[in-house]
Amino acid sequence: AQSVTQLGSHVSVSEGALVLLRCNYSSSVPPYLFWYVQYPNQGLQLLLKYTSAATLVKGINGFEAEFKKSETSFHLTKPSAHMSDAAEYFCAVSPSGAGSYQLTFGKGTKLSVIP
Amino acid sequence: DAGVTQSPTHLIKTRGQQVTLRCSPKSGHDTVSWYQQALGQGPQFIFQYYEEEERQRGNFPDRFSGHQFPNYSSELNVNALLLGDSALYLCASRTLRDGQNSPLHFGNGTRLTVT
Repeated sequence: AQSVTQLGSHVSVSEGALVLLRCNYSSSVPPYLFWYVQYPNQGLQLLLKYTSAATLVKGINGFEAEFKKSETSFHLTKPSAHMSDAAEYFCAVSPSGAGSYQLTFGKGTKLSVIP
Repeated sequence: DAGVTQSPTHLIKTRGQQVTLRCSPKSGHDTVSWYQQALGQGPQFIFQYYEEEERQRGNFPDRFSGHQFPNYSSELNVNALLLGDSALYLCASRTLRDGQNSPLHFGNGTRLTVT
């Protein structure tokens, strides 16, 4: 069974500072990995995805994530935080083998940006 | 191009009642999944529909059932509501032929409160 662990339910950064949101996965084979963002009272929007091509993945709004197989990690980063980045972020995993399309989500990390 | 639309946006029901939630997928998508997001948690997979059949199911009781119509829209039905069913219910769609790494597109959800 797959699982996702997001370290830190709340992260606060100053505007302009580096954003680092941590995600570790558990899977018997390298899975597909995703980061989604959720703004208040809205659904989830895809930030980026890893699908076994390049290990450094660039997404929307200046976010990127690096897949590290040895560390089973897929941490999300952004060099400079903006006030509009304040939201909840979810890491998710999907098996890469045939037959399953189910996404397993972490519990989320709420990002606050301090002016 | 309309994205995933869900109705209603909010719903209040009493324990023991039944509820039906509705979803129209993004144009061009043929697969619909439903997720339950309890307060402060990540979304949890309920089930996925393709070609009007339930193709995969998460760890949810039989009180949760669904349907997909020929136009790809879908309904989620929950019988004998419990207080613990209070959550945000998210519908997501994708195109199956795009493969397992194709991203899900989420609606804004239906907020169900059971009293």
